[in-house]
Amino acid sequence: DAGVIQSPRHEVTEMGQEVTLRCKPISGHDYLFWYRQTMMRGLELLIYFNNNVPIDDSGMPEDRFSAKMPNASFSTLKIQPSEPRDSAVYFCASRQTGTGGNSPLHFGNGTRLTVT
Amino acid sequence: GDSVTQMEGPVTLSEEAFLTINCTYTATGYPSLFWYVQYPGEGLQLLLKATKADDKGSNKGFEATYRKETTSFHLEKGSVQVSDSAVYFCALSDKTSGSRLTFGEGTQLTVNP
Repeated sequence: DAGVIQSPRHEVTEMGQEVTLRCKPISGHDYLFWYRQTMMRGLELLIYFNNNVPIDDSGMPEDRFSAKMPNASFSTLKIQPSEPRDSAVYFCASRQTGTGGNSPLHFGNGTRLTVT
Repeated sequence: GDSVTQMEGPVTLSEEAFLTINCTYTATGYPSLFWYVQYPGEGLQLLLKATKADDKGSNKGFEATYRKETTSFHLEKGSVQVSDSAVYFCALSDKTSGSRLTFGEGTQLTVNP
């Protein structure tokens, strides 16, 4: 089991540049989540997909953020243009449908984004 | 809506001390409860879970019992080690919240030798 794979592990970019974060969920998992973690705000859910379809994007901070899931094995989170306040660790997580909501989330190791 | 409240950190203990991290929840249904652990530079990992009242989840010496009457899921370990230093998150999931998990704010634990 390779786990959830995220790339890159670290990204440093200048304000105004486009940033793309990538995620490969665990095979067979039908839910995919994008989270952002900062010291100030803790862990925030940005968006999640079920069977490649976005279900809830109410956590996406603004139009500069977009996420796609073109197939069951790949998702991207894009920030365009990036701003210093976007600096955070971004996590991808996946989950397999379980009965009664008892299946756990599996997290990737995250992408640490720094926008200067 | 659903919510999870954890005891405020940070928590600092000496090796072999007893650990308790309190977690209480509010949910409209009958949630499943989880504890996740995050080591430095890594993502969250499932530590243990319980899916119904009075269930006890356990792993790596950690335990938590699902108490419906007090809506609590406190994490305990009898003797902590330096390697237990991490951030611990309590979380819940139920049918009314869809497939998302509701997380607490996390509790930073530091264990000194």
